[in-house]
Amino acid sequence: AQSVTQLGSHVSVSEGALVLLRCNYSSSVPPYLFWYVQYPNQGLQLLLKYTSAATLVKGINGFEAEFKKSETSFHLTKPSAHMSDAAEYFCAVSESGGYQKVTFGTGTKLQVIP
Amino acid sequence: DGGITQSPKYLFRKEGQNVTLSCEQNLNHDAMYWYRQDPGQGLRLIYYSQIVNDFQKGDIAEGYSVSREKKESFPLTVTSAQKNPTAFYLCASSSPGYGYTFGSGTRLTVV
Repeated sequence: AQSVTQLGSHVSVSEGALVLLRCNYSSSVPPYLFWYVQYPNQGLQLLLKYTSAATLVKGINGFEAEFKKSETSFHLTKPSAHMSDAAEYFCAVSESGGYQKVTFGTGTKLQVIP
Repeated sequence: DGGITQSPKYLFRKEGQNVTLSCEQNLNHDAMYWYRQDPGQGLRLIYYSQIVNDFQKGDIAEGYSVSREKKESFPLTVTSAQKNPTAFYLCASSSPGYGYTFGSGTRLTVV
């Protein structure tokens, strides 16, 4: 069965500092992995996805994530945090390309301190 | 622009009442999903449908019902059997090779 673990339900960074949000996955087959962002009272927006091509995936708003099979990780990073990055971030895994069920992590709320 | 429309944005339910949440998409996606979101619990799958006139239970289907009579529409009914319905409900759709596209959600509150 597929599963996702996000380490840290809340992360605080200073504006301009590195953002690192951690995600570890479990999957019985090569996975598809996703990061989504959610602003208050809104739906989720796709930031980036890994689909077995390049292990370093670039997404929107300057975010990127690296797939590390040996560590079963898919951590999300951004070199310099902006106030507008404050939101909740969800890591997700699918064993079927996202066409069927996707399993979401419990989310990490990112606070950006001015 | 293509997307998913959920309505209403806010909904209030009295004890013992059934309510229906609307979800419409114009993305021509085959698959549609309903998730429930509670603080600190992430998203939990209620029901999903991969084709018209067919749907499957997710992890927390008890107290909910759905229909899929049209490709574009996947309404969710929260029945009186759902004892703790207060939550944020998200509808999504997908097609092969893509991640999910989400609607903007419906916040349901029991009064």
